Amino acid sequence: EVQLVESGGGVVRPGGSLRLSCVASGFTFDDYGMSWVRQAPGKGLEWVSGINWNGGSTRYADSVKGRFTISRDNAKNSLYLQMNSLRAEDTALYHCARQVRYCTSASCQNYFDPWGQGTLVTVSS
Amino acid sequence: QSVLTQPPSVSGAPGQRVTISCTGSSSNIGAGYDVHWYQQLPRTAPKFLISDNSNRPSGVPDRFSGSRSGTSVSLAITGLQAEDEADYYCQSYDSSLSGSVFGGGTKLTVL
Repeated sequence: EVQLVESGGGVVRPGGSLRLSCVASGFTFDDYGMSWVRQAPGKGLEWVSGINWNGGSTRYADSVKGRFTISRDNAKNSLYLQMNSLRAEDTALYHCARQVRYCTSASCQNYFDPWGQGTLVTVSS
Repeated sequence: QSVLTQPPSVSGAPGQRVTISCTGSSSNIGAGYDVHWYQQLPRTAPKFLISDNSNRPSGVPDRFSGSRSGTSVSLAITGLQAEDEADYYCQSYDSSLSGSVFGGGTKLTVL
């Protein structure tokens, strides 16, 4: 069974740091890119960051660029998100998700399947 | 404010058909990027539903279908069941933002 399990969430003060982890099982981890997607309480989904299969290419939403760093350790089947300079608006449930990539004649795109249950990050003083 | 626009809510009686639209701009759906759909049941993680506009993976009931006509994209659910009550999200790629974007989500209520 394909499974993604996040950990590392918690309560942190504004300006603080937190490192999230996601452990994958049930599939060949280094065959896939991975992403973090967050959901603020009662709100919709927001893509945060993505990384390709070997960590050589990373992307970030403008809202977290310069503050968050995505990385992976394929030997440990693990994905990480280092979050620095946290703000109240970063409060959310953070999901890791496997990127399923496909290419057409025009472009390569991806969708997310499956998703982990998420780890809650609360930024509050 | 989400990059992709969905109606906040839709509703229908059991057995009826509902559609959920997803509207974007010239840097995402209008640029020809595909749209994917997810279902989020209460208090659960999102679940992948439809890929590249209309492809339904095995395991997803054929009551769910996606369609695209030009820049108009929608998810249709026929034969509504109580278990379909959930939030539904569309997702695409945005070339200006260089990343994935989601719609704001549509809450489906089965009356």
